[in-house]
Amino acid sequence: ETGVTQSPTHLIKTRGQQVTLRCSSQSGHNTVSWYQQALGQGPQFIFQYYREEENGRGNFPPRFSGLQFPNYSSELNVNALELDDSALYLCASSLRQGSTYEQYFGPGTRLTVT
Amino acid sequence: QKEVEQDPGPLSVPEGAIVSLNCTYSNSAFQYFMWYRQYSRKGPELLMYTYSSGNKEDGRFTAQVDKSSKYISLFIRDSQPSDSATYLCAMSAQRGFQKLVFGTGTRLLVSP
Repeated sequence: ETGVTQSPTHLIKTRGQQVTLRCSSQSGHNTVSWYQQALGQGPQFIFQYYREEENGRGNFPPRFSGLQFPNYSSELNVNALELDDSALYLCASSLRQGSTYEQYFGPGTRLTVT
Repeated sequence: QKEVEQDPGPLSVPEGAIVSLNCTYSNSAFQYFMWYRQYSRKGPELLMYTYSSGNKEDGRFTAQVDKSSKYISLFIRDSQPSDSATYLCAMSAQRGFQKLVFGTGTRLLVSP
């Protein structure tokens, strides 16, 4: 167990709707990253937050947005859902200290868009 | 061309075999290399983490990085049915910005 939790486990949405996914980081970690994993593919980096600021973004449109809270929990929001947004959404927490790059993943939220 | 290439498999081996999993990459800036194990419908679990070139051993697992060839490997000795999972390589370049670039994953099946 990594100590990273995500909610909900699974949800189903309709095209055009909006969704919010939540992540609770491992205790003591100050950085959270979000990834999208389509079926049969490796995770794709969406964005990263460090101390409540976005610290980098992958090749995802602006309808993907996020927040990090003072307690280092985080949200991923997706607006105007499309069928291709169906995937496993993973958050990963890490401690940004020196050059460490160890990221610990939660179990993911499986999103189905119909 | 993808930044990280990984054979999707499946790779089927009998219990007790030595397993070799590999990734190649094109970005010479990658400095940090990881292997994750992912069971079906679960999040990836960090197995091995290495910096730059060289070998690292942890129990039955050995990770190798050859930066001159842009090639990384994970060896599993005495494989067990419980090792059956998808193995993802991941790598990162930028200090202070922890974006991981993943391969597609190799599905490993270890039969009793």
